[in-house]
Amino acid sequence: KNEVEQSPQNLTAQEGEFITINCSYSVGISALHWLQQHPGGGIVSLFMLSSGKKKHGRLIATINIQEKHSSLHITASHPRDSAVYICAVEETSGSRLTFGEGTQLTVNP
Amino acid sequence: GAVVSQHPSRVICKSGTSVKIECRSLDFQATTMFWYRQFPKKSLMLMATSNEGSKATYEQGVEKDKFLINHASLTLSTLTVTSAHPEDSSFYICSASSLGLVWESDTQYFGPGTRLTVL
Repeated sequence: KNEVEQSPQNLTAQEGEFITINCSYSVGISALHWLQQHPGGGIVSLFMLSSGKKKHGRLIATINIQEKHSSLHITASHPRDSAVYICAVEETSGSRLTFGEGTQLTVNP
Repeated sequence: GAVVSQHPSRVICKSGTSVKIECRSLDFQATTMFWYRQFPKKSLMLMATSNEGSKATYEQGVEKDKFLINHASLTLSTLTVTSAHPEDSSFYICSASSLGLVWESDTQYFGPGTRLTVL
């Protein structure tokens, strides 16, 4: 069993839909990252969370430390949101990340 | 926000040659840099962790003599793939971490990645 599990692995949505990607982890962490990887590979860091909730534009990330679970939400999805979304956890501050397998999101017009 | 650059973004080389990839933190001092590798349709795999001025710590299964990492300054780490083979073709990504950034402490900032193709 992976330390970081994401679901779903693949997600197809229609433009405008509300999207949720989930991440569960089994270890104690100091922070959780949500990353976005577009075709071509470049990675963008979306959020780093250690508690609660963060919002940036149409993106919302939440984390429940007790339940070892985080969600990434995209409101009013758009085709340009199509990418792989990766959850990664940091076990101690400033340390190596352990990555989930990623969720391939496709948003159709 | 903090910016990490990688150079080159793409490189094609012949089998047997060596390739150097640079990772730079442009506006902060990176006490720790991480090198990752990504196989097609797979998640990232940590190769090694380097702290400025000391030897890199390699993950199990990563050949340190093949993947040479140098972190000579607080803004630059290099990964050299020596005697490259086609199976070394991959997407290599670095990230940089700094303690004590004012706006976001201890987070990691990712470079854009380098796609290596070995013919």
